[in-house]
Amino acid sequence: EVQLVESGGGLVKPGGSLRLSCAASDFVFDTFSMNWVRQAPGKGLEWVSSISGSSTYIYYADSVRGRFTISRDNAKNSVYLQMNSLRAEDTAVYYCARGIGWDQIYFDYWGLGTLVTVSS
Amino acid sequence: EIVLTQSPGTLSLSPGDRATLSCRASQSVGSGYLAWYQQKPGQTPRLLIYGASRRAAGIPDRFSGTGTGTDFTLTISRLQPEDFAVYYCQYYGLSPFTFGGGTKVEIK
Repeated sequence: EVQLVESGGGLVKPGGSLRLSCAASDFVFDTFSMNWVRQAPGKGLEWVSSISGSSTYIYYADSVRGRFTISRDNAKNSVYLQMNSLRAEDTAVYYCARGIGWDQIYFDYWGLGTLVTVSS
Repeated sequence: EIVLTQSPGTLSLSPGDRATLSCRASQSVGSGYLAWYQQKPGQTPRLLIYGASRRAAGIPDRFSGTGTGTDFTLTISRLQPEDFAVYYCQYYGLSPFTFGGGTKVEIK
């Protein structure tokens, strides 16, 4: 069974940085895009970023472009989200999701998420 | 950017009822690049439908998706107790891969 396990969330002050990780298992990692989707407390889903299998295609939501960086290490079956210049509005559960497609992507498996809280 | 508007915000129904959820796009989504997800309280989202009408693996046939262009519908033919949840549509034809605001299906 496909497994996605996020880590790295926590409490950070506005302007601070955090790096999220997602460890994947039980599928051929480099043949799938990997993605981050977030959900603020009591709110809906918001797509954040996507990266194709060989890192050729990388996409960001406007709300995070220039502050967040997605990357992956296929040797470690892992995807990362480096988050800088964090704001209160970045507070959310961050889900790692496996994607179908390189540049037209929907999400077939999701991790349980990791909570990021930005507060002073 | 394509904006997805879901309606109604909340649907109050009884087990056995038929549920009809709407997702309207601000412009045509092309060849049906529209997915639907279910999220129960405290749980991770679950893919139901992709390509506007194709059920994901293991999804019961009481769930069906229809639509083209800008208007899409998720229908649950006979609500089961486990179907009461929040449902989201997602556009995935081109970045940004936007989600609708969600429709909550609650027990009447």
